[in-house]
Amino acid sequence: NAGVTQTPKFQVLKTGQSMTLQCAQDMNHNSMYWYRQDPGMGLRLIYYSASEGTTDKGEVPNGYNVSRLNKREFSLRLESAAPSQTSVYFCASSVSQLSNQPQHFGDGTRLSIL
Amino acid sequence: RKEVEQDPGPFNVPEGATVAFNCTYSNSASQSFFWYRQDCRKEPKLLMSVYSSGNEDGRFTAQLNRASQYISLLIRDSKLSDSATYLCVVNLNNRKLIWGLGTSLAVNP
Repeated sequence: NAGVTQTPKFQVLKTGQSMTLQCAQDMNHNSMYWYRQDPGMGLRLIYYSASEGTTDKGEVPNGYNVSRLNKREFSLRLESAAPSQTSVYFCASSVSQLSNQPQHFGDGTRLSIL
Repeated sequence: RKEVEQDPGPFNVPEGATVAFNCTYSNSASQSFFWYRQDCRKEPKLLMSVYSSGNEDGRFTAQLNRASQYISLLIRDSKLSDSATYLCVVNLNNRKLIWGLGTSLAVNP
């Protein structure tokens, strides 16, 4: 049972390069999320998708775009990478956005921007 | 005041000890609460939801005190494998999850 799968697990980019982080879940969840985690900052929400066909900005959306390709997949794109985007990125999913539904996480993408 | 605050620790305890963490939240409209654990360089994993009446899962007990706006996590009979960072999470108005920075626990042999 894979749960939430993220690819790639590690990536090094040069400033200005673009890339897409992939996320897929096999739990038939409606809601999906992208977070970044930095030392001393905790988890910060970048974008989320409450349901297939919808996306909304989170706390730190600047410099990112997302696509909810279908119910299973939610990708995060960096159009022009900057050193400030060096971080660990986590994708998560939940049954719904309702308050009592916990989120399940992928094992992260460690991204370094040089 | 931060929306969710946790003592960062580290808490160093011997195996078999009982340890408790608190997490305070600032918004009284907060609706649901969770504890997650995160191992070093790993993803957060749900430990338990926190219910109004309090709840227990084996060696772990979670409590909610709405009047004082805090939740707590009690770990009994600590194991080496309990060493991790424990994240407090508060759901506000069905829309926004607010994550604490975590409390670090080290259980020593």
